[in-house]
Amino acid sequence: DAKTTQPPSMDCAEGRAANLPCNHSTISGNEYVYWYRQIHSQGPQYIIHGLKNNETNEMASLIITEDRKSSTLILPHATLRDTAVYYCIVRVATGNTGKLIFGQGTTLQVKP
Amino acid sequence: DAGVIQSPRHEVTEMGQEVTLRCKPISGHNSLFWYRQTMMRGLELLIYFNNNVPIDDSGMPEDRFSAKMPNASFSTLKIQPSEPRDSAVYFCASTGFKWDGYTFGSGTRLTVV
Repeated sequence: DAKTTQPPSMDCAEGRAANLPCNHSTISGNEYVYWYRQIHSQGPQYIIHGLKNNETNEMASLIITEDRKSSTLILPHATLRDTAVYYCIVRVATGNTGKLIFGQGTTLQVKP
Repeated sequence: DAGVIQSPRHEVTEMGQEVTLRCKPISGHNSLFWYRQTMMRGLELLIYFNNNVPIDDSGMPEDRFSAKMPNASFSTLKIQPSEPRDSAVYFCASTGFKWDGYTFGSGTRLTVV
């Protein structure tokens, strides 16, 4: 699975959009981009995933560049409860099989 | 749906003792994963099962660690004998045929003294 690079930490003002970048320059054609987050002391939580088209759900939007070498997770109106570690993971989507390998992630601090 | 259920939530044990962590995956999910999280090493995948069969245990640190999944609704992770460096939060996760992401349990915080 391709490796990802994320900034170690970011701040965001409450109510503003949080834009979390991820670099995955060695991504292969059959690899998806997944985002998870981990709020303090809880298990990681699935947010969103995509292959090449932009995706949106009730939690966030995922913007993938045309060359697929980077992506951005957008939380449109960040709240204090969005303070967490956000993980960008690239892997082949084989349904429910295969590993999910976590890197160090980005610690997002939402400030009032 | 009660989610992935792990027990106990907290475990404190003395070095050398046997420790058993338990996990009940979401009903209908057929893949189960055990992770360990520490400040130094982050989230590490230890082992995962598909349809109750261990597929990859390359993350299991030593022979002191063993995992079983006797049926689709139950898995255990055992450490025998336990050591202080095993202190960590252990997470169990499951997923199913219908892709809805991996669902993680609340974790077991293990402290070996």
